[in-house]
Amino acid sequence: NAGVTQTPKFQVLKTGQSMTLQCAQDMNHEYMSWYRQDPGMGLRLIHYSVGAGITDQGEVPNGYNVSRSTTEDFPLRLLSAAPSQTSVYFCASSYSSGQGPDTQYFGPGTRLTVL
Amino acid sequence: AQSVAQPEDQVNVAEGNPLTVKCTYSVSGNPYLFWYVQYPNRGLQFLLKYITGDNLVKGSYGFEAEFNKSQTSFHLKKPSALVSDSALYFCAVRPGYSSASKIIFGSGTRLSIRP
Repeated sequence: NAGVTQTPKFQVLKTGQSMTLQCAQDMNHEYMSWYRQDPGMGLRLIHYSVGAGITDQGEVPNGYNVSRSTTEDFPLRLLSAAPSQTSVYFCASSYSSGQGPDTQYFGPGTRLTVL
Repeated sequence: AQSVAQPEDQVNVAEGNPLTVKCTYSVSGNPYLFWYVQYPNRGLQFLLKYITGDNLVKGSYGFEAEFNKSQTSFHLKKPSALVSDSALYFCAVRPGYSSASKIIFGSGTRLSIRP
């Protein structure tokens, strides 16, 4: 199993540009989520999905969109990049317990810089 | 509000000595509790979790954690630290109600083991 994969590993954008961060998992996990990691702030949840076709907002959703058309893929779209979105982005997946996540498996991350 | 606190930004321990990384939480119900480790430029890796049962949970790499319901704590411990344990450690909590759909992460504690 490849686990959770993310592309690209690094990205530099100019303010106002848009892009999509890709995330895929091959463990047939129902639950997927996107986090951003900033120094001293831990991981903050951006969006999550409890299954194909179902997404919801996390703690810091503004400026980001997601969709979940398949179980495997959960792309994160930046609509109009801003310097405040400079961060490291992690995708994670897990089995569901009840309606929520159990142990999460993380991708290697995407380091995004917005100039 | 649901929250997780890791009161120490950094913990310094000599190799061979016991280590403790602290975590306290404030969430509804009987929570799911997790510890993750992050090595430089890598994604988070699962160490251990507590859902129910024995308050002392054993995990990967010789780590263990003790759930204390009265003190709402879930401290990570290891009897004898290794230099290779140096990393960033995150405590995470999923609230205990059945519809809980999010995991809350602490801000992280950097563990430094000196030879």
